Amino acid sequence: QKEVEQDPGPLSVPEGAIVSLNCTYSNSAFQYFMWYRQYSRKGPELLMYTYSSGNKEDGRFTAQVDKSSKYISLFIRDSQPSDSATYLCAMSVPGNQFYFGTGTSLTVIP
Amino acid sequence: DVKVTQSSRYLVKRTGEKVFLECVQDMDHENMFWYRQDPGLGLRLIYFSYDVKMKEKGDIPEGYSVSREKKERFSLILESASTNQTSMYLCASRNRGGGQPQHFGDGTRLSIL
Repeated sequence: QKEVEQDPGPLSVPEGAIVSLNCTYSNSAFQYFMWYRQYSRKGPELLMYTYSSGNKEDGRFTAQVDKSSKYISLFIRDSQPSDSATYLCAMSVPGNQFYFGTGTSLTVIP
Repeated sequence: DVKVTQSSRYLVKRTGEKVFLECVQDMDHENMFWYRQDPGLGLRLIYFSYDVKMKEKGDIPEGYSVSREKKERFSLILESASTNQTSMYLCASRNRGGGQPQHFGDGTRLSIL
């Protein structure tokens, strides 16, 4: 079983839709959770960074962590064509290596 | 803002060549990482370094080596390039401690012919 599971999509939504991206994980020791956005032919860019359970909001983006279910989500409100990218989840145990999902490809159609 | 710079965006080399990929970060980060990214496989860790002159093998170190002579620079070396090393190579850095996130460069798309 992989440490981190992420549905690869692709996901296609109309402009203005609410997007939900998700990852599940198996290691209950993970404490730090991240979402990265990767545009085509570019490196991953840190989008959201959270510690332990709960929600974090930044503009149109909300990250949720449910440690009891080993499930994390990224919500994008009022999605824009510029949000079209691959989204990677990542998580870590302090002082140890990171584990990444394989990424979900998102297209927002104008 | 953190800046991680990879020396080449695109590189084409021939099998058997020795290939050097360079990465420089400007935030005085202790930890640096090299990954390769392939469709369907995601990011796979090749090597990482906790500090200058320190290196640790990741999940797929075979056929690669690294060098970290200065804190800001981390080099990945393909000793004798093979076609199965054609990939996107990503460098990342982070501050030591806790769960500090990694910051990535824009990658080097390497083709081995």
